[in-house]
Amino acid sequence: GEDVEQSLFLSVREGDSSVINCTYTDSSSTYLYWYKQEPGAGLQLLTYIFSNMDMKQDQRLTVLLNKKDKHLSLRIADTQTGDSAIYFCAEYSGTYKYIFGTGTRLKVLA
Amino acid sequence: NAGVTQTPKFQVLKTGQSMTLQCAQDMNHEYMSWYRQDPGMGLRLIHYSVGAGITDQGEVPNGYNVSRSTTEDFPLRLLSAAPSQTSVYFCASSFTGLAGAGELFFGEGSRLTVL
Repeated sequence: GEDVEQSLFLSVREGDSSVINCTYTDSSSTYLYWYKQEPGAGLQLLTYIFSNMDMKQDQRLTVLLNKKDKHLSLRIADTQTGDSAIYFCAEYSGTYKYIFGTGTRLKVLA
Repeated sequence: NAGVTQTPKFQVLKTGQSMTLQCAQDMNHEYMSWYRQDPGMGLRLIHYSVGAGITDQGEVPNGYNVSRSTTEDFPLRLLSAAPSQTSVYFCASSFTGLAGAGELFFGEGSRLTVL
């Protein structure tokens, strides 16, 4: 079945770039998402990419999609302490079911 | 700007008790869903609905019931709570369109502990 995998932890220094990786298995996914969860809160959409795109840039965020390898990444430039959170990738294949990854906890060191 | 509202935020139950987690949204979203979040397992879909009177099972539906009598509300019922249902529960909603569901809007979560 579908499975979305992420590494559990990432630690970076303030001002550095962060790269969070995700692999997915459903090649029919139409949308791939990145959500951010701050402590004690629900998830909020950060950005998304259509499956027919390779890259999407949105201010400090860059999403790269490699469909051949089923690999999705989120790069955060100039990472700030306010970026500390859990980041989830999710795929959607058009059956009203989103598949979420395990989440990557990003810790930004001052 | 209420968005998706979940109640209660915290609840402690004893094994075998029943309870209902409430979810309401004021965005006129057709799609509503319930997830549970457990450490190291991400979010897993319990049940979802694409409109009033229509519900379907997700990945982990056992032990949970849902109903959708109105567009706004989507309650999740635990009929006989078990310790394995200790988790954080999230309700999420979305518009639906030609491509299916869109961006999910999440509530703040309900932390449930079953003793």
